[in-house]
Amino acid sequence: GIQVEQSPPDLILQEGANSTLRCNFSDSVNNLQWFHQNPWGQLINLFYIPSGTKQNGRLSATTVATERYSLLYISSSQTTDSGVYFCAVGFFGGYQKVTFGTGTKLQVIP
Amino acid sequence: IAGITQAPTSQILAAGRRMTLRCTQDMRHNAMYWYRQDLGLGLRLIHYSNTAGTTGKGEVPDGYSVSRANTDDFPLTLASAVPSQTSVYFCASSRTGQRLPSEQFFGPGTRLTVL
Repeated sequence: GIQVEQSPPDLILQEGANSTLRCNFSDSVNNLQWFHQNPWGQLINLFYIPSGTKQNGRLSATTVATERYSLLYISSSQTTDSGVYFCAVGFFGGYQKVTFGTGTKLQVIP
Repeated sequence: IAGITQAPTSQILAAGRRMTLRCTQDMRHNAMYWYRQDLGLGLRLIHYSNTAGTTGKGEVPDGYSVSRANTDDFPLTLASAVPSQTSVYFCASSRTGQRLPSEQFFGPGTRLTVL
């Protein structure tokens, strides 16, 4: 099956710092999402971005589907950004098969 | 507020007991999914439903069953719970489940412990 690798696995940031999270995938996909799992366990949709670039406030994401990677940028990080960030890629295989990466655990310290 | 609700929030269950996790969405999405999340293994798909009346098996279906009698509800049943089914269970939905991809949205999760 498709492999999804996220890097770095762990990240500690000082509040106010910027960071880039990376998601590499091993095969063509028609669907890519970024999620934030907060410390209470909720999965929050950040971006639905099979290709191109999107921005939402301090967050932005870019997917280069032809090169099989996506990047999530966090600028001016805040303590509320702490949690785990998941990349999930999908393709059609009888249904929309979605494979999650193992995540980047982010801790933002004041 | 539109979204996905799951019940119960958490449950401790004796091994061998039957349990149904409930999931309801009010977004009129065609497709629904059940995932389990385990430490170190990420989220894995248990069962899916592309439309009301149809269901299919995901990556880890053994020990679980689902039904999709209508668009809104997608219950997950553990016929005879075992300790390896201790996990956090997430229900999700998307507008389409066929060849046209669409964004998946997740419920708040059910934390299940089987003793």
